[in-house]
Amino acid sequence: DAKTTQPPSMDCAEGRAANLPCNHSTISGNEYVYWYRQIHSQGPQYIIHGLKNNETNEMASLIITEDRKSSTLILPHATLRDTAVYYCIALNSGNTPLVFGKGTRLSVIA
Amino acid sequence: DGGITQSPKYLFRKEGQNVTLSCEQNLNHDAMYWYRQDPGQGLRLIYYSQIVNDFQKGDIAEGYSVSREKKESFPLTVTSAQKNPTAFYLCASSIPSGRESEQFFGPGTRLTVL
Repeated sequence: DAKTTQPPSMDCAEGRAANLPCNHSTISGNEYVYWYRQIHSQGPQYIIHGLKNNETNEMASLIITEDRKSSTLILPHATLRDTAVYYCIALNSGNTPLVFGKGTRLSVIA
Repeated sequence: DGGITQSPKYLFRKEGQNVTLSCEQNLNHDAMYWYRQDPGQGLRLIYYSQIVNDFQKGDIAEGYSVSREKKESFPLTVTSAQKNPTAFYLCASSIPSGRESEQFFGPGTRLTVL
């Protein structure tokens, strides 16, 4: 699985869009980009995943660059409950063990 | 409600004692996983099982053991051979069909060895 790189921390004002970047320059053609988040002292929660096309669900949007070397997770209207550590993971299959980096700690500020 | 349960939420043990952490799921998932998390770090894989009566070691399996006798249960034993067992332990499950699958996590067990 490809290595991913994320900024260690970010701040976002409540109600504004939170844009979380992820670099995966060595991603292979058949690897998906998955995003999970972990609210303090809880188990991680799946957010979204994509292969080539941009994806949107009720939680977030995922924008993947055309060369697939990077992606951005967008939380359109961040709330205080979105404060968490966000993990970007590149993997060949979602039902194999996940390899977590340190993620990005997002702080949503009132 | 469907989901994954881990018990207990907090566990204290004396050094040298074995301890078993419970993980149960009623999602009818075939695959189950155990991860360990240390403060400020990401999760690391201890063991995983894709099917009943079969499991594989992860990156940090030393000092741990598992069993998978039933589809819904995947208990983890932390043995006295584990040098630094104090950590947050997370269990997860997924459907091993196709490549697009999400993992569902339990609430975790925080183990403290005194």
